[in-house]
Amino acid sequence: ETGVTQTPRHLVMGMTNKKSLKCEQHLGHNAMYWYKQSAKKPLELMFVYNFKEQTENNSVPSRFSPECPNSSHLFLHLHTLQPEDSALYLCASSQDLTLSAYGYTFGSGTRLTVV
Amino acid sequence: AQSVSQHNHHVILSEAASLELGCNYSYGGTVNLFWYVQYPGQHLQLLLKYFSGDPLVKGIKGFEAEFIKSKFSFNLRKPSVQWSDTAEYFCAVIPGGYNKLIFGAGTRLAVHP
Repeated sequence: ETGVTQTPRHLVMGMTNKKSLKCEQHLGHNAMYWYKQSAKKPLELMFVYNFKEQTENNSVPSRFSPECPNSSHLFLHLHTLQPEDSALYLCASSQDLTLSAYGYTFGSGTRLTVV
Repeated sequence: AQSVSQHNHHVILSEAASLELGCNYSYGGTVNLFWYVQYPGQHLQLLLKYFSGDPLVKGIKGFEAEFIKSKFSFNLRKPSVQWSDTAEYFCAVIPGGYNKLIFGAGTRLAVHP
């Protein structure tokens, strides 16, 4: 375990479903990130939170809705997804944005399949 | 567009062969550079990182990387690979003032016994 825990590990959902991905860290970090990992493409940064405030949304479609209730928890709410949204969704954390260069800790990811 | 480029998508080697994976970036100014590894079914792990100082950086498991500023490159090397090095390797950059990791597309390495 890395200290960043993602649940569920695998998720299959229909295009009309609503589901949520959860990320939890107890490393004392204040910055949290969602990345999308698709085959043969660079990891795509989706959202950034620093001290619970969203600081970046990289033109992510509104069918993805993040939530950060506190510095230890990060959610990604999903609704009316498309098959092309199938991917590995990775959560990461770092001390905070200004100290991010010292390292990110990644979770193991949620493998999402949209059918 | 500014980016991180990894030249090889797939590399196949025999055990004991030498490895070099290319990484180039297009950001000017100060950069922090990283190599991550993702073993099958596992999370991304940091292999090594460069912030400043000696451009030859040594990481875990016998890996090293050399920062060549004039070439905007940060190639990963290992003199003799093992079967257990089979994994996907990602180069990543934090451009100065941006504070977020930007990844390359990854290189999938398969090492045959």
